[in-house]
Amino acid sequence: DVKVTQSSRYLVKRTGEKVFLECVQDMDHENMFWYRQDPGLGLRLIYFSYDVKMKEKGDIPEGYSVSREKKERFSLILESASTNQTSMYLCASSFWTSGEGAPDTQYFGPGTRLTVL
Amino acid sequence: AQSVSQHNHHVILSEAASLELGCNYSYGGTVNLFWYVQYPGQHLQLLLKYFSGDPLVKGIKGFEAEFIKSKFSFNLRKPSVQWSDTAEYFCAVSSNSGYALNFGKGTSLLVTP
Repeated sequence: DVKVTQSSRYLVKRTGEKVFLECVQDMDHENMFWYRQDPGLGLRLIYFSYDVKMKEKGDIPEGYSVSREKKERFSLILESASTNQTSMYLCASSFWTSGEGAPDTQYFGPGTRLTVL
Repeated sequence: AQSVSQHNHHVILSEAASLELGCNYSYGGTVNLFWYVQYPGQHLQLLLKYFSGDPLVKGIKGFEAEFIKSKFSFNLRKPSVQWSDTAEYFCAVSSNSGYALNFGKGTSLLVTP
């Protein structure tokens, strides 16, 4: 079974703090993703990475950065946390392709619920 | 701009009722379509997916979805829901030229006994 783990289920931080969210996958997937999930807004892509040290901005990258130094680990960084970054953060991973020339299924972690006070 | 819309935000059904959740997308070219489900307190998991071939796809737990290219739709169906189907359902689309999924806003389904 694919396993995607996230470092914390719940996190409380103060405005202005630097926050690190860690994600690890054990399936040797090339692609990794960070989303945020908000009620009524669904999931929105923050950043993704298709290889070590490679990254691409998603739909809402402002206020976030990412790091992928090893294939299995993808970190999301909030340089200076703000209250509007209070959210559920989901990490996902997938193979480059399903073998049918299409992007493969993404597997999700349990999420980190971040509260910024 | 590419978008995915789910018609119903909240659906309440009695057990044994039939379910259909709508999903429409606006993409040009080849698309790959997914339905994900999030049960209360659990992580998001794949329900079913369509890449090519038979437009009627079957997923886990008795769910199925039909891809209608002319209508840009990928509606999710189940003939008889159970209380355990209470969850949030997300439609997602990706194109062959991209890696990322574009999600709809989700539909919250409550099945009452």
